[in-house]
Formats: sequence, structure tokens, C-alpha cells
Amino acid sequence: GENVEQHPSTLSVQEGDSAVIKCTYSDSASNYFPWYKQELGKGPQLIIDIRSNVGEKKDQRIAVTLNKTAKHFSLHITETQPEDSAVYFCAATFNNDMRFGAGTRLTVKP
Amino acid sequence: SAVISQKPSRDICQRGTSLTIQCQVDSQVTMMFWYRQQPGQSLTLIATANQGSEATYESGFVIDKFPISRPNLTFSTLTVSNMSPEDSSIYLCSVEITSNYGYTFGSGTRLTVV
Repeated sequence: GENVEQHPSTLSVQEGDSAVIKCTYSDSASNYFPWYKQELGKGPQLIIDIRSNVGEKKDQRIAVTLNKTAKHFSLHITETQPEDSAVYFCAATFNNDMRFGAGTRLTVKP
Repeated sequence: SAVISQKPSRDICQRGTSLTIQCQVDSQVTMMFWYRQQPGQSLTLIATANQGSEATYESGFVIDKFPISRPNLTFSTLTVSNMSPEDSSIYLCSVEITSNYGYTFGSGTRLTVV
């Protein structure tokens, strides 16, 4: 089955800096790659996603890149703000079978 | 995207008892998914629930421990049976409305077994 690895497990940045979280997946059939933000006491919230026919997608301060050959995708957050502090999960999906990475705890220091 | 109402939001239960978690969606969906998130951990799929058929369970999860109902296209329940402290986790339901909206999660049920 699919195996998703996510790095780093924790990330601390200064407000205004950029943050990058990286994931790799094992199943070349995976074709949908969402990123979720989970704040304390809440369920995961979809913040951006990318499908396998696209290499990059951007939504304001958030961007995701996908390298299908390397089976690697990344989340980029620019101009970080304290409210970006949360746990971020990547996932890889094929046929409604979604597998999650272990998560990255991002802390943005004011 | 969908709006999911999950109840209860949290509960403290005695070991040996059972808890049923409800998930209500504001639109009809074919598939609903139940996940477990142990403290400080990632999300692990328990089972996929399709309306009108038996749920499909992932390795390590069995129907006797986690029975699921799916009576219609907007509602599902997950029961955690004969609970032990190891069942203390957050339980989440998730749905995919259309291929354009990805998967939406409920707010989760935080279960503590004492």
C-alpha cells in the first residue's frame, strides 16, 4: 500500500519568513495530493491540493509543487504569520484511499 | 464544500462500555470515511462506509470492535465497542463531495477512556 513520509516533524520560523514542508510517496498510481492544517482541538482543514496532471499550484501565500518522477511534493508558505502555527499533514490518494504523512508542527514566532 | 456535523465533540467513558459517534453531512455523498488520530499522531483510516453495503475495514481494525452503520447518503455512525484506555483518541469522519473539492473532515470526537 501507499506509504507517505513527511519532513520535518517540527519547524520553527520567524514571522515573515518562509516555511517549506516536504513529502514523498511510494505508490506511483497516487493522483491526488492534499495538504491539511490542523489547529488544536479541531479537525483537519484542507488548505490546498494538487492533482497529478499539474506541477504547481498557488493560492495567495500558499503553494504546492509536485514532482511525479521523484514522487515528491512540497508545501510552501511565504510571509508566515503567527496564525499559521498549526500541525500540517500531507496526504497521497488513489481511488479514495488517502494515506497521511506523520505531520509537521509549524511554529511561527512573532 | 460539505459541512459535517460530528457528535459528540468529546466524551469520557468507562472501560468496557461502548460509544457511538454520529456524522451528519449537509449533502448526499457516496463514501464516508472514519479515521482515528491518536494523541500527537497522524490520521489512520479505520474503514470506508458506503450506503447500502458493508463497511470496508483497514488492516488492524475489525467490525466487532468498530461497527459502522450507513443508513442513508448523509449519515453514518461509528461505534467504539468494549473500550479500553488504548482506544483514547480523536475519531474523525470525512467525505468527498466531488472530485473538485477534495475531502472534508468533521471536527472530531475526542474520546478518553478511564
